[in-house]
Amino acid sequence: KAGVTQTPRYLIKTRGQQVTLSCSPISGHRSVSWYQQTPGQGLQFLFEYFSETQRNKGNFPGRFSGRQFSNSRSEMNVSTLELGDSALYLCASSESLGGANVLTFGAGSRLTVL
Amino acid sequence: AQSVTQLDSQVPVFEEAPVELRCNYSSSVSVYLFWYVQYPNQGLQLLLKYLSGSTLVKGINGFEAEFNKSQTSFHLRKPSVHISDTAEYFCAVSDRGGAQKLVFGQGTRLTINP
Repeated sequence: KAGVTQTPRYLIKTRGQQVTLSCSPISGHRSVSWYQQTPGQGLQFLFEYFSETQRNKGNFPGRFSGRQFSNSRSEMNVSTLELGDSALYLCASSESLGGANVLTFGAGSRLTVL
Repeated sequence: AQSVTQLDSQVPVFEEAPVELRCNYSSSVSVYLFWYVQYPNQGLQLLLKYLSGSTLVKGINGFEAEFNKSQTSFHLRKPSVHISDTAEYFCAVSDRGGAQKLVFGQGTRLTINP
């Protein structure tokens, strides 16, 4: 089985721009979660989608948004980029909802904001 | 709400020596517990998880962890480390009540010296 695929792997943007990151989950997995990883704040939960519906959201401003498509692929968008948005964005998928489910992570998309 | 504290930000050890990475958590509800590993420029990989049952959990690559409910700890151990174990290790919890969101500790960087 192919793993979780995230694109692009690396990107550079400037302040004020917006960015869209893509995540293709493992085949058959219906839940997709997003996490932000920074040296200062560590790993923080952004949001979780299941069956095209956002089920859970972390404590991030409204500039951060996401969606899930009918094939379970997911995208997240960050508008009006700030320097502090520079981070590794990790996507994870699992078969279903529930805290016992194991998340399989992708390699991440590393965003640098200049 | 949950929180996770990894008591050591960096742990240097010599090859073939034993190692323990410490993790304490705080939660008002019952939780599931996980350890993930992150190699450079990669996503997170699950090492092991505690869902229920025996408090001693065995994972991949020779790692094991023990759940101690009274001390709210979930320390990770390996009897003999290898150079290839050099990585960052994250302890995480999720809510047994249903939300899949993982709350991570700040990570412990394990460095193996020859």
